[in-house]
Amino acid sequence: RKEVEQDPGPFNVPEGATVAFNCTYSNSASQSFFWYRQDCRKEPKLLMSVYSSGNEDGRFTAQLNRASQYISLLIRDSKLSDSATYLCVVIRFSGTYKYIFGTGTRLKVLA
Amino acid sequence: EPEVTQTPSHQVTQMGQEVILRCVPISNHLYFYWYRQILGQKVEFLVSFYNNEISEKSEIFDDQFSVERPDGSNFTLKIRSTKLEDSAMYFCASSVRDSEDTEAFFGQGTRLTVV
Repeated sequence: RKEVEQDPGPFNVPEGATVAFNCTYSNSASQSFFWYRQDCRKEPKLLMSVYSSGNEDGRFTAQLNRASQYISLLIRDSKLSDSATYLCVVIRFSGTYKYIFGTGTRLKVLA
Repeated sequence: EPEVTQTPSHQVTQMGQEVILRCVPISNHLYFYWYRQILGQKVEFLVSFYNNEISEKSEIFDDQFSVERPDGSNFTLKIRSTKLEDSAMYFCASSVRDSEDTEAFFGQGTRLTVV
């Protein structure tokens, strides 16, 4: 089983739609969680951290469910500029804090 | 805004040749990383580096790979004898400390093409 699993998509949604992505992780010792955004052939950029209590940043809401070992990202009122690949990142300590990336979920917002 | 810079942006090399990928991490950062992403696949951890030595490396990081911080600013990844399967995007990253809630900042990547 992969350590971090995501549905690769693509998710094609119309502008203004709400879309949700899930990510599951297998290692219960995982410490922290992030969502990164990656545009085509560019570097990953931090979108938001994910906290147990859930957190919101504008149109973006991230949730963590430690019991079920999944993380979610909700995007409301999606914009054309939201089109990208969303990477679920799990931080695991094994001597150092290591980023473990999911394969990413591709989102395409259509006009 | 401070950023991690990588050079070159694209490197084409013949199989069997040595390549050196260069990175300038953010100046007050202490922890440095290399990741790679084969086209269409996920970002994979290669190595972490702190206090002038490797902290951790993955199974991908075999004897063909080495890292170095030759001076106070550069952080390099060397591949001694490149193989076709080394073709990928290589990302350098740095962070100010090694903790669970610290963001790692990524460079824009070097696309390595081995022919």
